[in-house]
Amino acid sequence: GAGVSQSPSNKVTEKGKDVELRCDPISGHTALYWYRQRLGQGLEFLIYFQGNSAPDKSGLPSDRFSAERTGESVSTLTIQRTQQEDSAVYLCASSLLAGTDTQYFGPGTRLTVL
Amino acid sequence: AQSVAQPEDQVNVAEGNPLTVKCTYSVSGNPYLFWYVQYPNRGLQFLLKYITGDNLVKGSYGFEAEFNKSQTSFHLKKPSALVSDSALYFCAVRDGVYGGATNKLIFGTGTLLAVQP
Repeated sequence: GAGVSQSPSNKVTEKGKDVELRCDPISGHTALYWYRQRLGQGLEFLIYFQGNSAPDKSGLPSDRFSAERTGESVSTLTIQRTQQEDSAVYLCASSLLAGTDTQYFGPGTRLTVL
Repeated sequence: AQSVAQPEDQVNVAEGNPLTVKCTYSVSGNPYLFWYVQYPNRGLQFLLKYITGDNLVKGSYGFEAEFNKSQTSFHLKKPSALVSDSALYFCAVRDGVYGGATNKLIFGTGTLLAVQP
């Protein structure tokens, strides 16, 4: 079946502009996660959605970052007034449930802020 | 706080030789451990996980990992390396209590595996 998809695959923007990144999870997966991977580094957790529960936003680095999820489907990560340090690959993952269920990752969006 | 460490930035091995990629963890409570692989310009692919039960976990592409509670380790192994195994490998531990609000993965910094022909 279809895996996690993300769009765009690449995004180049100018400092100060806003960007929106999209994630389509695997159908039926109730949990959705956003991570950030900076060049040469591991993944940093950003935000987690589980069903209708309040999202865990504890990993968002600043108030310029926000995310929404429509029901148990698409999620959008928005970065306002982008800065050069926001340049990274943004990865989305979904799992059937939370807990110990395996998280399946999308291919990522490579964001470059000039 | 939960954490994982991957002490080697890079591991070099000749094709056909056994490989080991090291991971140690620090958790409060039961550890839930994962290995992922990342090929260039690709997302992460799940290899295997340890939740409970047998200490030796078998996963995709012939990889396995051994959970060692006394040494707090979860090393990834493969009996015979292939050139196509060359990639970036990440160990991760799940944060939070099962059913709790937080279920994010905490990742190590990654180990680059280079298999020479």
